[in-house]
Amino acid sequence: GAVVSQHPSWVICKSGTSVKIECRSLDFQATTMFWYRQFPKQSLMLMATSNEGSKATYEQGVEKDKFLINHASLTLSTLTVTSAHPEDSSFYICSARDLAGTTDTQYFGPGTRLTVL
Amino acid sequence: AQTVTQSQPEMSVQEAETVTLSCTYDTSESDYYLFWYKQPPSRQMILVIRQEAYKQQNATENRFSVNFQKAAKSFSLKISDSQLGDAAMYFCAYFRGGGSEKLVFGKGTKLTVNP
Repeated sequence: GAVVSQHPSWVICKSGTSVKIECRSLDFQATTMFWYRQFPKQSLMLMATSNEGSKATYEQGVEKDKFLINHASLTLSTLTVTSAHPEDSSFYICSARDLAGTTDTQYFGPGTRLTVL
Repeated sequence: AQTVTQSQPEMSVQEAETVTLSCTYDTSESDYYLFWYKQPPSRQMILVIRQEAYKQQNATENRFSVNFQKAAKSFSLKISDSQLGDAAMYFCAYFRGGGSEKLVFGKGTKLTVNP
């Protein structure tokens, strides 16, 4: 149980284009999902908290107009990197909080590697 | 603000031996959760073990166990009978609880397992 998927796992795009990354909780409902960015050999950096049916909460320094987050259902959140530039190249990871269980645990997707040319 | 400190950037262990990874945290809360996550080269974050602060008993999951010292704000991970597949980055994380509360991660410890 508690599986989170991400799609795509790897994407290459041209500078100036937009890329959408999907995060799905496959076997549980998640009213809250989180989006992280991870640079090589570093820890995870929280970008934003996504709540179903409401606006995402962005961490300080994260451009909300560049990183659009939509949490349309209890099992799906999307991150859209708009007008991507090479500096946006990174590894993006989502996580989902399992509400139904009593463990209050976040489960992570496998991540998406974004390369902007 | 809560902080999590992992003082060992890298550790190594011989296969079949035991290794302990350190983690300390700072919080003024009395109820919270602590986690160890493993990130192998595939970069998939995998939950290793969790501990509720109100529980005095240390959590155990097969070869993985923790030494939770609440007063000292210490949460170390012990890996027994280390296997090659245990090689990974290990992240300690703190969670206060609540719907939108976020995980606070340490910087990680890279564990190498030598055959």
